[in-house]
Amino acid sequence: GENVEQHPSTLSVQEGDSAVIKCTYSDSASNYFPWYKQELGKRPQLIIDIRSNVGEKKDQRIAVTLNKTAKHFSLHITETQPEDSAVYFCAASATSGTYKYIFGTGTRLKVLA
Amino acid sequence: DSGVTQTPKHLITATGQRVTLRCSPRSGDLSVYWYQQSLDQGLQFLIHYYNGEERAKGNILERFSAQQFPDLHSELNLSSLELGDSALYFCASSVDGRSTFGSGTRLTVV
Repeated sequence: GENVEQHPSTLSVQEGDSAVIKCTYSDSASNYFPWYKQELGKRPQLIIDIRSNVGEKKDQRIAVTLNKTAKHFSLHITETQPEDSAVYFCAASATSGTYKYIFGTGTRLKVLA
Repeated sequence: DSGVTQTPKHLITATGQRVTLRCSPRSGDLSVYWYQQSLDQGLQFLIHYYNGEERAKGNILERFSAQQFPDLHSELNLSSLELGDSALYFCASSVDGRSTFGSGTRLTVV
């Protein structure tokens, strides 16, 4: 069935360093890939997304890359700050009348001051 | 405030009982998605409604059901509750795939 693998499950970085989270999806029909940030006890919030017709997208310190051939996509956060500490989820969706997300298992990012 | 409203925020109930969770999407959004978040299963898609019609089903148990009303609010009904149903239940409304989540309902089954 549809599956999204996410690595690593936990990631600790020093403030100012970069963080990279990687996801692999199984459904070749997937064409929309959002990333969500979830702080403790709060709702997931969309931070960036990418569609299959684009290989890379950047928004300030956050970037996402997509390799459709390999079915990989990655989140890159540069110049990390303590407020970046949260759980990050990747998701994949095939747009066939629905945008149901298949989520990865999450990465707990800790940015050490 | 995301514009997606979920009530109640917390719910504690006993095994075997039935509860109803409510969600109002953002103004103008026709889609409502329901997700379950538990510690061992992560975020799981349950069901999607669009303008009153069911569009997709995920790993939703037969004890669970949902509907979307003409005013576009949605209700998720959970019956014959078990301890393992304890989780955070989120709804989300979506425009062009970008889903905005509500604050969730934390369900505790005791």
